[in-house]
Amino acid sequence: SQLAEENSWALSVHEGESVTVNCSYKTSITALQWYRQKSGKGPAQLILIRSNEREKRNGRLRATLDTSSQSSSLSITATRCEDTAVYFCATDASSGSWQLIFGSGTQLTVMP
Amino acid sequence: EAAVTQSPRNKVTVTGGNVTLSCRQTNSHNYMYWYRQDTGHGLRLIHYSYGAGNLQIGDVPDGYKATRTTQEDFFLLLELASPSQTSLYFCASSGGVRAEQFFGPGTRLTVL
Repeated sequence: SQLAEENSWALSVHEGESVTVNCSYKTSITALQWYRQKSGKGPAQLILIRSNEREKRNGRLRATLDTSSQSSSLSITATRCEDTAVYFCATDASSGSWQLIFGSGTQLTVMP
Repeated sequence: EAAVTQSPRNKVTVTGGNVTLSCRQTNSHNYMYWYRQDTGHGLRLIHYSYGAGNLQIGDVPDGYKATRTTQEDFFLLLELASPSQTSLYFCASSGGVRAEQFFGPGTRLTVL
């Protein structure tokens, strides 16, 4: 069963615009991670946000976590063509299996 | 920087064939993972290990064996490959439970 799921299959924006990818999850977690996968590459972590944190930033990226609604968002400001990628959220469960469960991903396309 | 390498990068085999996918990490990480990635399913965990000689079952282990020969090397074995195992396979490593995972570049396997 999916512990985490992104809410959109695909998004497209123009360079310079801001965009938000949303994720919902189903169980109590210790942390949520956002990964990015560019074409032909393996995923790479962008941000890890713990359950006691509400917001985390990394340059142009901002992740939020709302444990009451079991949701997270990843916002990218001043998008660039090189931000084109699939974005995944991944969660672990605070009890039971600790393994990361990845969502299906959101394909973000940034157009010139 | 963390380094995970995989070989081969592409592999074509026939139904019933034997395939071994190799992964090596130079991060001195204890944990290593094998995932498969299919459209619509995201990343699904096949097997993982927390040290040489250790093997744990993931979410989709059927038809796969794995072996961790050293801290650096983790192998995925398909002894009777089937077309349903056509997929993109990723290896990853991490320093601890629920920690950031570092992914290799992937192996594209086609079973005819």
